[in-house]
Amino acid sequence: QVQLVESGGGVVQPGRSLRLSCVASRFTFTNYGMHWVRQAPGKGLEWVAVISFDGSKEYYVDSVRGRFTISRDNSKNTLYLQMNSLRVEDTAVYYCAKDGSVAAITYLDYWGQGTVVTVSS
Amino acid sequence: SYELTQPPSVSVSPGQTASITCSGDKLATKYACWYQQKPGQSPVLVIYQDSRRPSGIPERFSGSNSGNTATLTISGTQAMDEADYYCQAWDSTTPLVFGAGTRVTVL
Repeated sequence: QVQLVESGGGVVQPGRSLRLSCVASRFTFTNYGMHWVRQAPGKGLEWVAVISFDGSKEYYVDSVRGRFTISRDNSKNTLYLQMNSLRVEDTAVYYCAKDGSVAAITYLDYWGQGTVVTVSS
Repeated sequence: SYELTQPPSVSVSPGQTASITCSGDKLATKYACWYQQKPGQSPVLVIYQDSRRPSGIPERFSGSNSGNTATLTISGTQAMDEADYYCQAWDSTTPLVFGAGTRVTVL
């Protein structure tokens, strides 16, 4: 069964940075796009970013573009989200998720357990 | 940016059919999928590519997509189906967008 394990969450002050990681296993990581999705307390799901299977393409939601960077290390089966200039409104559970199609951006067939990011002074 | 609209809540009696709609401009020209999320848990994919069920998802979950509306139907709803349901769409111009979610209550 596919496994996605996030880490790196925590409490951080506004304006500071944080890097999330997601270690993937039990599937061919190099074949699939990977996503970050977040969920603010009591709110719905918000897609944050996606990176293509080979790392050549990245897409972001408008609210994080220029502040967040998604990346991957295919040699380590690991996905990252570098979050800079954090804002209070970035407070959320951050999920790592696997795209369901080979070499495409489509739907999310497996999700991690999430890591909590709290931005507060 | 592309938007998907869902009703905030749907109520259904056990054993009855629940229908959850998701509306977006020309949604039928895109692929839609659905996720189930129970309190304190990660989302689970229940329908993809409009109407396909992942392995392990019960047959009572079905989906359709026509015109501007995608629909998730739960036939013979059970108490365990009480959850939040999110639709999601994608195409070449919209990497990925979620609806705001629908809370299904089994009364």
